[in-house]
Amino acid sequence: DSGVTQTPKHLITATGQRVTLRCSPRSGDLSVYWYQQSLDQGLQFLIQYYNGEERAKGNILERFSAQQFPDLHSELNLSSLELGDSALYFCASSAGGTSGNEQFFGPGTRLTVL
Amino acid sequence: AQTVTQSQPEMSVQEAETVTLSCTYDTSESNYYLFWYKQPPSRQMILVIRQEAYKQQNATENRFSVNFQKAAKSFSLKISDSQLGDTAMYFCAFMKPIDLLPSGTYKYIFGTGTRLKVLA
Repeated sequence: DSGVTQTPKHLITATGQRVTLRCSPRSGDLSVYWYQQSLDQGLQFLIQYYNGEERAKGNILERFSAQQFPDLHSELNLSSLELGDSALYFCASSAGGTSGNEQFFGPGTRLTVL
Repeated sequence: AQTVTQSQPEMSVQEAETVTLSCTYDTSESNYYLFWYKQPPSRQMILVIRQEAYKQQNATENRFSVNFQKAAKSFSLKISDSQLGDTAMYFCAFMKPIDLLPSGTYKYIFGTGTRLKVLA
């Protein structure tokens, strides 16, 4: 158990809908990262937050947005969903700062868009 | 821009044998870190081993060790005494601090992965 939690574990929805994925980082970790992994593909970095502020953006679509709250949990919002958005979405956390640079991953949320 | 290349999409090894997974990366940075992550069929991402670029000594974690060749920008993973539970996708990852921003910001780049199957 990495200490990173993600809810829900599975999500099935229809095209055009909007969903919210939630992530709680390990206790004390300030950085949260979101990744998308399509079937049999590598990890695509979406976005990073550090202590409530957005710090880096990757290949994140405009239909997707995220935020990190004062209690450090983060949410990834996916809207106007398309079939191609079906994927495993990972959240990872790290301590940030000058130490603790490895990422610890949550179990992922499997999103299926029908 | 940094890149991470894993040139072996799939590999197999007999149980109890040794296998080496390759990873090369491209960077002009001097301060960076390298990681190997394992993703078993459960899809959980598990950190296997890490290497700081400033350390010459190769990292070792039980049956897992790396061969870090900084000049060649190579970071291979050796698995000794392979076990059935080692069957997984293995990802190599590069990380560097983004110095222009306040501390806490790191850039991570993952390779495309090597699917390893351990045969009984």
